[in-house]
Amino acid sequence: GDSVTQMEGPVTLSEEAFLTINCTYTATGYPSLFWYVQYPGEGLQLLLKATKADDKGSNKGFEATYRKETTSFHLEKGSVQVSDSAVYFCALSVRGGSRLTFGEGTQLTVNP
Amino acid sequence: GAGVSQSPSNKVTEKGKDVELRCDPISGHTALYWYRQSLGQGLEFLIYFQGNSAPDKSGLPSDRFSAERTGGSVSTLTIQRTQQEDSAVYLCASSSDRAYGYTFGSGTRLTVV
Repeated sequence: GDSVTQMEGPVTLSEEAFLTINCTYTATGYPSLFWYVQYPGEGLQLLLKATKADDKGSNKGFEATYRKETTSFHLEKGSVQVSDSAVYFCALSVRGGSRLTFGEGTQLTVNP
Repeated sequence: GAGVSQSPSNKVTEKGKDVELRCDPISGHTALYWYRQSLGQGLEFLIYFQGNSAPDKSGLPSDRFSAERTGGSVSTLTIQRTQQEDSAVYLCASSSDRAYGYTFGSGTRLTVV
């Protein structure tokens, strides 16, 4: 079945550090890929997405590139801020499918 | 509405009682999903509604769980005879295009005591 594997957290960084959160997937079809973010006490928000191979999703300084050859969709940011502290979820949706399949989530804490 | 609205935001109930959780999706969104987020765990799919099609109930954990969607809009998730392991945040999402992500509500935090 479809699955998403994220790097284990928690991840703790200092402000302005470089961030990478690894995400790999297994899918029976040709999925669309997503990163969602959940700030403390809030619901999930779509951060970025990519719908085909080599697409790069970007938003708020975050980027992720759809790599079909390595079945990966790693999240990166060049310089994190305290306000980026949140839980990040990688997810996929297979075209024609009926649900998002989520990874376990990665807790990020950014210290000033 | 402007976003997905869920109510109540918090619910504390006694073990064995029934609860109803409500989701009001974005107007015009044909797809509606329920997920469960337990403490320290990822998101667990529960049920999916798409238009007038029969819902995909494959994620419901037991027959104590049921959901309805009336008029293709508002949905109610019902948990009968609640147990402590039902304590979680229940998230609702809606979508008009499955390929481009969903909009989530803020969730209902259910605590069974």
